[in-house]
Order: sequence, then structure tokens, then C-alpha cells
Amino acid sequence: EDQVTQSPEALRLQEGESSSLNCSYTVSGLRGLFWYRQDPGKGPEFLFTLYSAGEEKEKERLKATLTKKESFLHITAPKPEDSATYLCAVQAANYGQNFVFGPGTRLSVLP
Amino acid sequence: DVKVTQSSRYLVKRTGEKVFLECVQDMDHENMFWYRQDPGLGLRLIYFSYDVKMKEKGDIPEGYSVSREKKERFSLILESASTNQTSMYLCASRTGTRETQYFGPGTRLLVL
Repeated sequence: EDQVTQSPEALRLQEGESSSLNCSYTVSGLRGLFWYRQDPGKGPEFLFTLYSAGEEKEKERLKATLTKKESFLHITAPKPEDSATYLCAVQAANYGQNFVFGPGTRLSVLP
Repeated sequence: DVKVTQSSRYLVKRTGEKVFLECVQDMDHENMFWYRQDPGLGLRLIYFSYDVKMKEKGDIPEGYSVSREKKERFSLILESASTNQTSMYLCASRTGTRETQYFGPGTRLLVL
């Protein structure tokens, strides 16, 4: 069965303490892997798209990487404003236009 | 910038009422989606539409219907609201096959 998992479920960091979030997937024919940030009570906000193994994208303190089985979202020297839930989603050949979303990682960055 | 708007941020309805949630996107996207998001269950697809007047069931279509009469507008209808439909409802749109989905701000629906 195709699925997307994320770990850890929740993560608490001190400001400046770098870490990584994981998104693992088991799908056939990956077309794209997407990372989103979601603040409480709001819709997900798009961060990155990765299409093939070895690809990397960066934006400010965030860097996303992709292998054949998983993606990492690296957060370097996080700030309290990085606190949010981070979602990953995959689109695969047999899903058509649909995405499969992971359950998310809830990140808290303490000052 | 892509903009997806939803008609209400918060709604309170009574059991048995007919509820309309509207979503509008301004980027001429072909594909539009309705999800609900619940703690511990993540995002679940209710319906999607890949063209005007076209619709496909998602993972949890029971108790819902949709309408897409114009390309920019996608409506979610709860025919007879029930308490188990209390949730956060999210609309999204996207264009080509390898593009991201863009989400609206969400509607938090409470059914009493």
C-alpha cells in the first residue's frame, strides 16, 4: 500500500539548534514530493517541490533533500517564527492529480 | 501570486442544515480540491475537479457533494450537516501535473 510517513511527530528545539525532519514514502513512479508549512488555523503554505533523487532546494534557514525513499527538511539555526507544522505530500503516477499527504511534524522552537 | 480564497473562515451550523462552502482561485487552474483536516487524521481528500462540470470522488465523499459551474469556483455542499462533519475544510488548486497545490486559508466548521 502506498503511504507517506513523517517523523518525528513533534519536535522541540532551542533557538539556534539545527535539526532535520523526515518524510518517508512508499509509492511507485514518484512525480513530485512537496513540502508545506502550516500555521495553526491556517491553510498549508507551499515551501518546496522536489522531483528526483539527489535534488536539493533551499530557502532561508530551510533546505529540502530527496532520495529514492525519503526526503529531509533540514532547519539550520531555527528561530521561534519557524514554529509550525511541516507537511510533506507526494504525487505518484497512479494517483493522477491527487496528492498523498503525510501526517505532519509539529515543530516548536523555543527562545 | 496565486490566490485561493474561501467564503468563510468560521461557520457554525445546526445538525440537518444544508451548508455551502465556496472556494475561488484567480490563476486559471484546471484542478481544484476539497480536503478536510482533523487532528490525528491529517488531510483527507473529499472531492476534486479537473475541469468545469467534472468531478471525482476522493477518499471520503460520503455526506458531501460538489459543484463546479465556472473554472475559478468550486463549491462543497453538505446536504444535511452532522456533528461528525465538524472539521477544518481546506480548498486547493493547481495547474499542470508536476505543480504544487495552492491552499486557501481554510474554513473551520462547527456543527451543533
